[in-house]
Amino acid sequence: AQTVTQSQPEMSVQEAETVTLSCTYDTSENNYYLFWYKQPPSRQMILVIRQEAYKQQNATENRFSVNFQKAAKSFSLKISDSQLGDTAMYFCAFMKHRSAVQGAQKLVFGQGTRLTINP
Amino acid sequence: DTGVSQNPRHKITKRGQNVTFRCDPISEHNRLYWYRQTLGQGPEFLTYFQNEAQLEKSRLLSDRFSAERPKGSFSTLEIQRTEQGDSAMYLCASSLLSYRDRPPGANVLTFGAGSRLTVL
Repeated sequence: AQTVTQSQPEMSVQEAETVTLSCTYDTSENNYYLFWYKQPPSRQMILVIRQEAYKQQNATENRFSVNFQKAAKSFSLKISDSQLGDTAMYFCAFMKHRSAVQGAQKLVFGQGTRLTINP
Repeated sequence: DTGVSQNPRHKITKRGQNVTFRCDPISEHNRLYWYRQTLGQGPEFLTYFQNEAQLEKSRLLSDRFSAERPKGSFSTLEIQRTEQGDSAMYLCASSLLSYRDRPPGANVLTFGAGSRLTVL
């Protein structure tokens, strides 16, 4: 079974600073996907960024980038120029690569990191 | 496209009562998932539908839980004889299975805002 671990329950930084959230995972699979989801208070979970394990290049989405280390099974999220609207719970998640006939593409989530951006 | 809609947003009930939650996925999405999220934890998979067929259920889904997706559109999750341990946020997500995806299977799940259940 896959497991995802986020070792930082809470983090707090000042607006405009850069912050890195850590995530490690355990799997015997070779083909899989990794995600970071953001869950603002009382609001729905939103996809921040996605990484395919077969790609060596780290994914980037505007101010968000990842450091994907496949051998180390590490997948950290870097938020540059942090903004007040980045305040949220951040979840790292793993999904096995399954073909259409193999059923559910289930996400396995970590425990989350509560990030607070201070003005 | 109004996203994934869940109702009610919050339900308070007494132990032993039945509750039902509804999820309206994104209209063209053919896959629908239910997850449960307890306080301070990440969501955990409960069950999944492809169109109207319920294809997989987690061991977390006891026999007091039943989910349906009768016409392959909206879905309901019913909890019978609720217990205090059922208190959680119930999240619905949907995705589009497209055989044209490259690579296949990289569908992204879109989540609703959740239905919070409090059992007194």
